[in-house]
Amino acid sequence: GAVVSQHPSWVICKSGTSVKIECRSLDFQATTMFWYRQFPKQSLMLMATSNEGSKATYEQGVEKDKFLINHASLTLSTLTVTSAHPEDSSFYICSASASGGYYNEQFFGPGTRLTVL
Amino acid sequence: RKEVEQDPGPFNVPEGATVAFNCTYSNSASQSFFWYRQDCRKEPKLLMSVYSSGNEDGRFTAQLNRASQYISLLIRDSKLSDSATYLCVVNRGGGNKLTFGTGTQLKVEL
Repeated sequence: GAVVSQHPSWVICKSGTSVKIECRSLDFQATTMFWYRQFPKQSLMLMATSNEGSKATYEQGVEKDKFLINHASLTLSTLTVTSAHPEDSSFYICSASASGGYYNEQFFGPGTRLTVL
Repeated sequence: RKEVEQDPGPFNVPEGATVAFNCTYSNSASQSFFWYRQDCRKEPKLLMSVYSSGNEDGRFTAQLNRASQYISLLIRDSKLSDSATYLCVVNRGGGNKLTFGTGTQLKVEL
């Protein structure tokens, strides 16, 4: 089956620092990657959608200058949380889809747990 | 109103019980429907897609009622390993973006 990895699996950082999270599709080419955020006892919330080689599309209420997304290749997307603050502490999950078409199954990474002190 | 609504539970059931989860969605243009399972502090994993005609996968049966915008999941003969949070997921009015419910927590006990 399709495998998606994320790195790091967890990170603790000081307030004001930037954190980069990588999402890789290991055995398929991901035309589209999605970034989600999940706070405790809440649902996964889509933050942004990225297509390889183009700018990410952000959901309403998500600051694009704070959450920088780069999808430079068909197997790698990165999310950088800039100037992180305690309220950014969350579980960040990426998913990858083999096509940006009507609907294709999304394969989820194992998530990155970010704690900002 | 939330786009996808679920009873958060928890549902505490004995091993071997049958349990049903319900979900409603607000966007009538949604075309694809799913149940995902999420274990504590893990990523969600696809349990099954849901089709209008209803579909079954072993002990799991999913139903969709488009007129009522209602989705259900039935688990028969519950196992301890079924303990998890079950997420109702729909795509947004067609297209490839997913909207997740907050999930229903199931605890299967001896």
